[in-house]
Amino acid sequence: QTVVTQEPSLTVSPGGTVTLTCASSTGAVTSGYYPNWFQQKPGQAPRALIYSTSNKHSWTPARFSGSLLGGKAALTLSGVQPEDEAEYYCLLYYGGARVFGGGTKLTVL
Amino acid sequence: EVQLVQSGAEVKKPGESLKISCKGSGYSFTSYWIGWVRQMPGKGLEWMGIIYPGDSDTRYSPSFQGQVTISADKSISTAYLQWSSLKASDTAMYYCASAGGYWGQGTLVTVSS
Repeated sequence: QTVVTQEPSLTVSPGGTVTLTCASSTGAVTSGYYPNWFQQKPGQAPRALIYSTSNKHSWTPARFSGSLLGGKAALTLSGVQPEDEAEYYCLLYYGGARVFGGGTKLTVL
Repeated sequence: EVQLVQSGAEVKKPGESLKISCKGSGYSFTSYWIGWVRQMPGKGLEWMGIIYPGDSDTRYSPSFQGQVTISADKSISTAYLQWSSLKASDTAMYYCASAGGYWGQGTLVTVSS
């Protein structure tokens, strides 16, 4: 059973920068896992932010960026806004299968 | 405008069957996959499976193989998720999602005696 691991929680100050990571139990995450990132606020459907490691959707704010960092997928928020407080999920592709990480609860304080 | 519109909330009893839907509009329905995602109360997202409406090729995550059926009717641009015998543990919000980052609004399924 493949497991995708994210930090359970992170706290950042408004205007600050934070990096969320996404690790695979199978080893280093590469671009071949096509990392995706999603934001979910309470009571709302998830919203896609990043696809294929670093590509942004047309609605993704510029302060969000995706990358590979130290064998993991990473989502960096620069100039964090209060409205960025949410749960963030990564999704990795394993051939025909896909697996979500457990999510990171980001608190802006 | 691309939209995925899901069917409404359902309340069912254990053992009953159910089929929920996800209607795509604003794009070529047969060109992009549709996936289903489960979110149990207070929990994270779980990928259930995916269908390619063009040829109905379907892949299930191991945890959901044999537990649900994913299908699509391309003539009405609609994907489906169905259960033949619901359990209380199927109580959850179910989302459909498509390539391009589009998500449905979710369908809440409650299974209770």
